[in-house]
Amino acid sequence: AQSVTQLDSQVPVFEEAPVELRCNYSSSVSVYLFWYVQYPNQGLQLLLKYLSGSTLVKGINGFEAEFNKSQTSFHLRKPSVHISDTAEYFCAVSGSSSNYQLIWGAGTKLIIKP
Amino acid sequence: DGGITQSPKYLFRKEGQNVTLSCEQNLNHDAMYWYRQDPGQGLRLIYYSQIVNDFQKGDIAEGYSVSREKKESFPLTVTSAQKNPTAFYLCASSSMTSGSTDTQYFGPGTRLTVL
Repeated sequence: AQSVTQLDSQVPVFEEAPVELRCNYSSSVSVYLFWYVQYPNQGLQLLLKYLSGSTLVKGINGFEAEFNKSQTSFHLRKPSVHISDTAEYFCAVSGSSSNYQLIWGAGTKLIIKP
Repeated sequence: DGGITQSPKYLFRKEGQNVTLSCEQNLNHDAMYWYRQDPGQGLRLIYYSQIVNDFQKGDIAEGYSVSREKKESFPLTVTSAQKNPTAFYLCASSSMTSGSTDTQYFGPGTRLTVL
């Protein structure tokens, strides 16, 4: 069965510093990869998604992610974080082995230190 | 404004009671989903529906029931058979034009607490 691992449950960073949130998925023939963000006590919002083509995907709010097939990773990055980026970030994958339903990681809380 | 609404925002239930969570969308989406979110566990799929009058069980359907009588509505009932219902419940929808690549749009959630 397909699975998604977010290696860090919390990531503290100083404001204006760069950040990387890690996501690894179990290998599959073809996968589609997503990053969603959840602000406190709210629903989720799509940040970006990889379907095919260029392995570097740009999303909203200055975030980007790189699909690495050989390492089965889809890490999320931002060069300079702001206090407003405080949220929980979820990686998700879908594909034929999950009957095209989303399989979710456990989430990573991004904590911005002033 | 197009979007997904969930009500109520907070819900308290006594043990042994059934409760129904509302989910309405005006995005004209074919597919709708219910997820349960617990701390440190990500989202788990309860039920999903790809068309009116049809729905499928997700990974944790036991103790829950749904209906899809209208395209825009997908209510979830948490029955007394659900042993640990205290959680944050999220409803989502997607257009199904591309299958698994469609973006899911989420409502603001309902936090259910069993007293």
